[in-house]
Amino acid sequence: EVQLVESGGGLVQPGGSLRLSCAASGFTFSGFWMNWVRQAPGKGLEWVANIKADGGEKYYADSLKGRFTISRDNAKNSLYLQMSSLSAEDTAVYFCARSGVPYGFENWGQGTLVTVSS
Amino acid sequence: EIVLTQSPGTLSLSPGETATLSCRASQSVSSSFLAWYQQKPGQAPRLLIYGTSTRATGIPDRFSGSGSGTDFTLTIAGLEPEDSAVYYCQQRGSSFGPGTKVDIK
Repeated sequence: EVQLVESGGGLVQPGGSLRLSCAASGFTFSGFWMNWVRQAPGKGLEWVANIKADGGEKYYADSLKGRFTISRDNAKNSLYLQMSSLSAEDTAVYFCARSGVPYGFENWGQGTLVTVSS
Repeated sequence: EIVLTQSPGTLSLSPGETATLSCRASQSVSSSFLAWYQQKPGQAPRLLIYGTSTRATGIPDRFSGSGSGTDFTLTIAGLEPEDSAVYYCQQRGSSFGPGTKVDIK
C-alpha cells in the first residue's frame, strides 16, 4: 500500500524558515516524480513544486519567487521542501503527492499544517 | 502560464441526477495533461480522472471526463450523497482550477 506521511509543519514567525519532509513507502520511490501542493485555509489547491525521479529536474510555481526548494533523498525514500522568507500568505496545509500516472497525482499524504504568525 | 477556470462555482443537485462540471483553459491544453480531483472536507484530494478521460484506479464508471483544446468536462451520473465534495481540474501536473463545489441534497 502506498503511504505518504508529511511532517515538519508548525508555527513559524514571519520571515522565518521551515523544512517539510514526506516519508514514502509501499512503492519504488526512486521511480516516480514527486510533488508538493498546498491549500490555504478555506481556499483551493495550489501546486507548489515537483521533482523528477532522479532529482535531476525541479520545477516551481512562479508565485514562490525562489523562496522554496524541493529536494529528495532516494536512499531514505524521502521528499523535502525547504521554505524561507515565510509570510502569512504561506499559511496552508502542505501535501506531498506522487505522480503515479501521467500528469496525475495518484497518491497523497494527509498534509502538514504550516502557520506563519507572530 | 495557463490559467484554468471552473464553472459553475457551486452546483446543487438531488440524488440520481447528473452533474456536469466545466473546466476552461486560457490556452490549449493537450488532452494528455488534464486531470480531475475530488476533495471532501478535512481530506486530501483524490484523483478521479487523468488524460482527460481515463478513470483512476477504483473510480466508479459514474465518473467520466471529456473534452479537448480549452474546454473540458467532468460528468457525474447518478449522483449519490457521498459525491458531495469540491472538484478540481489540473493541467500538466501543475496549476489547478479554483474548484466547483457539488452539494447533493
